[in-house]
Amino acid sequence: DSGVTQTPKHLITATGQRVTLRCSPRSGDLSVYWYQQSLDQGLQFLIQYYNGEERAKGNILERFSAQQFPDLHSELNLSSLELGDSALYFCASSALGTGVDEQYFGPGTRLTVT
Amino acid sequence: GIQVEQSPPDLILQEGANSTLRCNFSDSVNNLQWFHQNPWGQLINLFYIPSGTKQNGRLSATTVATERYSLLYISSSQTTDSGVYFCAVESNTGNQFYFGTGTSLTVIP
Repeated sequence: DSGVTQTPKHLITATGQRVTLRCSPRSGDLSVYWYQQSLDQGLQFLIQYYNGEERAKGNILERFSAQQFPDLHSELNLSSLELGDSALYFCASSALGTGVDEQYFGPGTRLTVT
Repeated sequence: GIQVEQSPPDLILQEGANSTLRCNFSDSVNNLQWFHQNPWGQLINLFYIPSGTKQNGRLSATTVATERYSLLYISSSQTTDSGVYFCAVESNTGNQFYFGTGTSLTVIP
């Protein structure tokens, strides 16, 4: 158990809908990262937050957004869902997010868009 | 972005055999991690190893940052080692994180 929690574990929804994925980092970690794992694209970095502020953006679509709250949990919002958004979404956390610390991954949320 | 190539893409081993997995990256990096994704999808940290050598039980890893590669050694493999092994790097120019395409390992009894 990495100490990173994600909810829900599974989500099935229809095209055009909006969903919210939630992540709680390890106790004491200030940085949260979101990743998408799909069969065709592999594991891709989406976005990083550090202590409530966006720190880095990767391949995140405009239809997707994230935020980190004062209690350091984070949410990833996916809207206008398409079939191609079906994937495993991981959250990771690290102590500082400075690039010299280790990331720990949650169990993931499996999203299926029908 | 940084290209991260892993080899071999697939590996089948008899239980008890040893193996070496390789990760090449195309540019200088701040850090490098190795992960094992088990059959249930969980990404498990193996090593945080931006440079040098580390060992943990039957596993060890070496990163030669100046030559832009890292190696993961698995000795006396067990069926529970099956899964996909990923290396991941962070660019040193702006907090971007890149995963390799993975090595799928199957250990047969």
